[in-house]
Amino acid sequence: DTAVSQTPKYLVTQMGNDKSIKCEQNLGHDTMYWYKQDSKKFLKIMFSYNNKELIINETVPNRFSPKSPDKAHLNLHINSLELGDSAVYFCASSQEVERNTEAFFGQGTRLTVV
Amino acid sequence: AQKITQTQPGMFVQEKEAVTLDCTYDTSDPSYGLFWYKQPSSGEMIFLIYQGSYDQQNATEGRYSLNFQKARKSANLVISASQLGDSAMYFCAMREPRSYNTDKLIFGTGTRLQVFP
Repeated sequence: DTAVSQTPKYLVTQMGNDKSIKCEQNLGHDTMYWYKQDSKKFLKIMFSYNNKELIINETVPNRFSPKSPDKAHLNLHINSLELGDSAVYFCASSQEVERNTEAFFGQGTRLTVV
Repeated sequence: AQKITQTQPGMFVQEKEAVTLDCTYDTSDPSYGLFWYKQPSSGEMIFLIYQGSYDQQNATEGRYSLNFQKARKSANLVISASQLGDSAMYFCAMREPRSYNTDKLIFGTGTRLQVFP
C-alpha cells in the first residue's frame, strides 16, 4: 500500500519536449507539494496545494504548471524542457496545517533532459 | 537568510558506535516543527523523527533520538548503535505552519553518513 506514489520513476527526454509527472496520495491528506532536488542534493519547494488550491509558488518558471484534479492528486506538467530542469522531483503530502506532522514523500522522479 | 544549517557535509562512524548529526535552525515563529529525513542511495525520502517546538521532551524513535536545545536553536540527530544500513544522506528540515500560504518544509543541505565495519 503505497502512501504517496509518483510516476514515472525515471524520465529521459530531449530539450524542448513537454512532459508530465503524476502523483497520487492515499493518506487523505489535505496538502500536497512538489519539491525539486538538484545535483547537489539540495531540496527546495516548488509548489504546495491545499484541497486543490494553489498555495505556494516559489518563483518557479511558468513552464512548470501543477494541476490538482482532486485533493488526492497533484500532477506536474513541464513545457519546453531545458537542460537545467534535470533533477529529481519529489511529490509529498501532509496533514492540515494545524497538525504539525511530517510530510510523506513519493519515491521521486529522476528527470534527465538531453 | 538560511533557515536550516547542517555544517557537516560528511561523517564517518564505525558500526555499533553512536553518531551525532548537527542541525541548527533560525526562526522567529514560536510554533514550528523540526524533522529528520534519511535518503539512502536508492533515492527515496524516509521520515525518521519529529520534534515540536512546544515539546518538553526530546523525541526518540528506536535508535534515533533528537537532541533538542531550543535556546541554542539546535536539533541534532543522534543515531545509536550504527548499522551499515544507516549509510545515507540525512536531511534536517523545519516547518513553520503559521498559515496555509507559508506551509512548507525547509531543508538543510544534508549530511552524508558512512558507516564502516
